[in-house]
Parts: sequence; C-alpha cells; structure tokens
Amino acid sequence: DTGVSQDPRHKITKRGQNVTFRCDPISEHNRLYWYRQTLGQGPEFLTYFQNEAQLEKSRLLSDRFSAERPKGSFSTLEIQRTEQGDSAMYLCASSFGGQRNTEAFFGQGTRLTVV
Amino acid sequence: DAKTTQPPSMDCAEGRAANLPCNHSTISGNEYVYWYRQIHSQGPQYIIHGLKNNETNEMASLIITEDRKSSTLILPHATLRDTAVYYCIVRAINAGKSTFGDGTTLTVKP
Repeated sequence: DTGVSQDPRHKITKRGQNVTFRCDPISEHNRLYWYRQTLGQGPEFLTYFQNEAQLEKSRLLSDRFSAERPKGSFSTLEIQRTEQGDSAMYLCASSFGGQRNTEAFFGQGTRLTVV
Repeated sequence: DAKTTQPPSMDCAEGRAANLPCNHSTISGNEYVYWYRQIHSQGPQYIIHGLKNNETNEMASLIITEDRKSSTLILPHATLRDTAVYYCIVRAINAGKSTFGDGTTLTVKP
C-alpha cells in the first residue's frame, strides 16, 4: 500500500495526558497537511509542511499543539494536556507542491477520544 | 480562499445520474474547483478538479459555468457505494490550505 498511512487509528486518552500521532505520506510528495474533523463537520485545516518547513499554521493550532516533520518525510502531531474538546478525527494528507501541485491524498485518520 | 455553498443533502436513485451543485461566486481567476468525497469513517477521497473547462475522469464529470461562479459534479450512474459527503473546494493551484465546508450528503437509494 503506497497511500498515506496514519498511526494509531484510534486513541483513547485521559484528560491532561499528552498524545502523539504519526503520519507517513506518499513517498514522493513534498507537502504534508494536518486537518481536524469533528462529527458532522468538514475537515478544518491545522497546518502544512513543504519538505521540513512548516509554512502555515491555523489559529486552531493552540500552544498545546505542535507538529514536526524533521526530515521532510513522516510527520508527528503532538497534543499536550489534552482536553475533552480535542476529541476529533485527525487527518493527514500529502501532495506534490510547487507549480505541479496536485490533489491531496488523505489517510484514514486517527480518531482521538479524550475521557 | 473563496467560500463555497452546497445543499446539505440530496437523494439519487441507483443507476441514475447524480448532479451535485456548488456555488462559488467569489472565486478568483487563479482558483481551481476541487471535489472530494468522504465515505463514513474514512479520509476524504479526491474526485476531480478544474479551472474553467469541463473535465471528465473515470469517476465523474465536472461542469463549470462560463462565469466560473458555480459548478456541478456529475456521477453518471450512481451506485450505493457513492453514498457519501461530497465537498466542493476552491483554491489556487499552489495554495497549501484547503477550506472545506460542510458538504452535501448524497444518499443513493435502491
């Protein structure tokens, strides 16, 4: 399978704990995106990287959220001191960037439940 | 990014064409129209995109009006597996962020 891979698929955590999600993009894609989706809503943009550079962050990405893409390949999204409002599906996507930017391919998401 | 407006829900009979409309009256000259769909509990799936000409691929056709203020996604022979939420997005080709609305829930009925 050469698609976008996310791990874990499901995570249940207690309020106040830290969680980290991983995304492995399609190997030749230089752009990687993170979105969050709550029930009944469309995905909301969080941040994106071109190679290892984080080029844009949404105001939704509070200080408790941090994303990295250290070598321009996989990415991690960490949420510190989780709150119940963080419960959502976290989606990762990848694409080519630059003038040949094409459609984004999404992973299956990580469903986070904060109890 | 330009805002899009889609009906919240639509029904379609199996085997018939499904025509999903999208209004994007504030679209800029360099913005493309993209369509994605999301089947329950899965990540969004790319369908098609276009700038101003009509486009067709193995999944669907995209019809964009001459003034580019609206478009229609056509699934020529809808099946039960096409039941999903369909999102219309407009963005520049090199933009990073995509702004999703709430989409149209298409229900294909036997």
